[in-house]
Amino acid sequence: GAGVSQSPSNKVTEKGKDVELRCDPISGHTALYWYRQSLGQGLEFLIYFQGNSAPDKSGLPSDRFSAERTGGSVSTLTIQRTQQEDSAVYLCASSFATQYEQYFGPGTRLTVT
Amino acid sequence: KQEVTQIPAALSVPEGENLVLNCSFTDSAIYNLQWFRQDPGKGLTSLLLIQSSQREQTSGRLNASLDKSSGRSTLYIAASQPGDSATYLCAVGGNTPLVFGKGTRLSVIA
Repeated sequence: GAGVSQSPSNKVTEKGKDVELRCDPISGHTALYWYRQSLGQGLEFLIYFQGNSAPDKSGLPSDRFSAERTGGSVSTLTIQRTQQEDSAVYLCASSFATQYEQYFGPGTRLTVT
Repeated sequence: KQEVTQIPAALSVPEGENLVLNCSFTDSAIYNLQWFRQDPGKGLTSLLLIQSSQREQTSGRLNASLDKSSGRSTLYIAASQPGDSATYLCAVGGNTPLVFGKGTRLSVIA
């Protein structure tokens, strides 16, 4: 079956602009996660959704970051007023439920100029 | 706060050699531990998942062990091949989503 897909694969934006990153999880997976991978920082958790529960936003680095998940499926990560330090690869993952194996998408490489 | 450390940061071995990658974590209250592979410019591919109640998992030439009480996991790769060259990431699952190590960059030389 289809894996986790993300779009766009690459995004270049000017400092101060807003961006939206999209994630399509594996069908039937109730848990969806966003991570960020920066050079020298490794992979860090941003936010996750489990079913209809309120999302865990504890990893979001600032209030410029937000995410939503519509209909329990597709998710959009929005970064407002982008800064150069937001440049990173943003990875989405899904799992059958929390504590199950996570499957990752190919990521979106964001470059803020 | 959970911290995950992977040693070594980089490793270069000749083809055919058996090797071990190490992962340690500070908080033993985990639900599972997952090993991933990442090729340059790509996403993560899940290799093995070990639940906290398990001691090891095997998939082909890969064997992962878990010692929760000592906060350690190892990934054993048998008869390494050039196609195994990648970065290997260890991640620990607990009350929060996965906490990752910084990875071991493996190069297998033909």
